[in-house]
Amino acid sequence: GIQVEQSPPDLILQEGANSTLRCNFSDSVNNLQWFHQNPWGQLINLFYIPSGTKQNGRLSATTVATERYSLLYISSSQTTDSGVYFCAALFNAGNMLTFGGGTRLMVKP
Amino acid sequence: KAGVTQTPRYLIKTRGQQVTLSCSPISGHRSVSWYQQTPGQGLQFLFEYFSETQRNKGNFPGRFSGRQFSNSRSEMNVSTLELGDSALYLCASRSTGGNEQYFGPGTRLTVT
Repeated sequence: GIQVEQSPPDLILQEGANSTLRCNFSDSVNNLQWFHQNPWGQLINLFYIPSGTKQNGRLSATTVATERYSLLYISSSQTTDSGVYFCAALFNAGNMLTFGGGTRLMVKP
Repeated sequence: KAGVTQTPRYLIKTRGQQVTLSCSPISGHRSVSWYQQTPGQGLQFLFEYFSETQRNKGNFPGRFSGRQFSNSRSEMNVSTLELGDSALYLCASRSTGGNEQYFGPGTRLTVT
């Protein structure tokens, strides 16, 4: 069936370190989004990236649609980057986002 | 432009009761989707409404229902609440022809 898998499930970094979060999806997608869930539960849009590469400050993302994966890069991590990161895919067959299980990131000072 | 808003933000209900949650999309957005987030099941799609019509429904029992009004505001209703319905309920909107979804702050429902 349609699946979205994220790795690693948990990640602990020292402030200033870089990290790469991975998202694998099982079928062709119309949409691939990365979110950061804040402590109050809201999903904050990071990237809308069905293909290609985008950068926003210390964050960048790459989606290789033909190989069915996306990567989120966080450089020079800060404690405020802590939280849960989700990727979600909108598959060609439907209109609903299918979410991965998330990566819980903790950045230590 | 104002973001997606949801009311109420927090809610405590008793088993067997019913609850109605509200979502107002970004101005001009006609598609509204609802998602449930629990620690055990993660984020799961409930349903999507577009122009007052339900277009898709996730794998949830009939106790979960929704509707959309002519101004695109949407409500979801859960009847005969169970303890397992305790969750964060998130609403998202997207523009016509667009694929990017924008989420509201959520309603945290606790069933006791």
